[in-house]
Amino acid sequence: AQRVTQPEKLLSVFKGAPVELKCNYSYSGSPELFWYVQYSRQRLQLLLRHISRESIKGFTADLNKGETSFHLKKPFAQEEDSAMYYCALRAAGNKLTFGGGTRVLVKP
Amino acid sequence: EAGVTQFPSHSVIEKGQTVTLRCDPISGHDNLYWYRRVMGKEIKFLLHFVKESKQDESGMPNNRFLAERTGGTYSTLKVQPAELEDSGVYFCASSQDYRAVNQPQHFGDGTRLSIL
Repeated sequence: AQRVTQPEKLLSVFKGAPVELKCNYSYSGSPELFWYVQYSRQRLQLLLRHISRESIKGFTADLNKGETSFHLKKPFAQEEDSAMYYCALRAAGNKLTFGGGTRVLVKP
Repeated sequence: EAGVTQFPSHSVIEKGQTVTLRCDPISGHDNLYWYRRVMGKEIKFLLHFVKESKQDESGMPNNRFLAERTGGTYSTLKVQPAELEDSGVYFCASSQDYRAVNQPQHFGDGTRLSIL
C-alpha cells in the first residue's frame, strides 16, 4: 500500500526567507507525485507535478527515488504563499493518496 | 470553463438522519472522484467513477455510503444513516478522458458535513 508523509504540520518563515516542505512516500512501483495547495477560502488546486519538471510561482520539487522524497522548495517566500500544502501520490489507477498537509505561514 | 461544483457547501444534520451530497464535474470529464477529510486526518480517497461506472470503490468506509453517477454526469453521495464519525469535509474531483494518461484532478470546494 502507498503512503505519503509530511512531517511538518506547520512551517512559519519570514518573507524573503527560503522555505522547504518535506514529503516522503512509500510505494513499491513508479509513482507520480504532486503538490496541491489550498489558499484561504479557495479550493484545493494543483501546484505542480513531478513529470512536468517546471517551476510554478517560484516553487520547485524534485523527485528523489533513492530517498523516496518529493520536497517542495522556494528560495524566497512571499506573504501570498501562506496556505495549506498537500503532497500527493498517484500509483496504479487514478486515485490520489495524500499526506497530512503542511500549513505555511509567511510573516512580513 | 466552470470548475467542479459541489452542493451544499455545508450540511448540519443529526445522527441517524440521511444526507445527500452532490457533485457536478467539469463538463466532459469522464473521471469523477470522491475524497473526504475527517478531523485531524489526511484527505482520503473514497471512490472513482469512469463515466457512470464505479471503477474503484475501495475507499468507501461501509455500506452506509452510497455513490451514484446517473448518466455519467453529476454524482451523488448519500450517507444513510449518518453517524458522528462521518463528520468532515467531502471533496469531489474530476479529470478528463480516462484514456488520456496523466491528467490532473480538479477539485471542488468541498462539502462540510457536521453530524450532531
